[in-house]
Amino acid sequence: EIVMTQSPATLSVSPGERATLSCRASQSVGTNLAWYQHKPGQAPRLIIYGASTRATGIPARFSGSGSGTEFTLTISSLQSEDFVVYFCQQYDNWPPWTFGQGTKVEIK
Amino acid sequence: QMQLQESGPGLVKPSQTLSLTCTVSGGSINRGGYYWSWIRQHPGRGLEWLGYIYYSGSTYYNPSLKSRLTMSLDPSKNQFSLNLTSVTAADTAVYFCVRDRFGDGIDYWGPGTLVSVSS
Repeated sequence: EIVMTQSPATLSVSPGERATLSCRASQSVGTNLAWYQHKPGQAPRLIIYGASTRATGIPARFSGSGSGTEFTLTISSLQSEDFVVYFCQQYDNWPPWTFGQGTKVEIK
Repeated sequence: QMQLQESGPGLVKPSQTLSLTCTVSGGSINRGGYYWSWIRQHPGRGLEWLGYIYYSGSTYYNPSLKSRLTMSLDPSKNQFSLNLTSVTAADTAVYFCVRDRFGDGIDYWGPGTLVSVSS
């Protein structure tokens, strides 16, 4: 099974600044990668699929890039509601789909 | 807007069966193109994909749980369910039901339900 590794585990950023989150796959997943936003106690929300395509209703400040084994989620200007957990998922090699451990974005 | 909601006991005794139901609103589970799946998150750990059931009734389970896991669906109630037998403390987790597009990510999630396994 493919192992997904996210870094850092916690990212401290000031509101209005840029956040860059990384996700690495143990083997190539092409562009079959998704990013999710998860607020505690709520349903996770799909924000990026296909490594770089924003899901419906996702603001333009969210962008995804990468292919193969290295992926990045960038939030260009952090808003207060963005300080939550983000995790990545590969859907190239199945079964099973696998997920990263998550990155918590906290207010600096 | 589609919504998914998990329901079931929050506490299960070791060796018993964990049973959860997901109620879907805002859309029918009885259509192709989507895979109705379960995912869990152990406390302080990452997510684990458990398996899916398709509207036709076909299923696929994570090989690590295959011998203990059964999924079913009830189109008349727009629900799908999970049964996990012979549970241990290692099955304590938040369980999510989701709609998987199986190729473009998971577009709808329930909020999750915590199930603890303890005597």
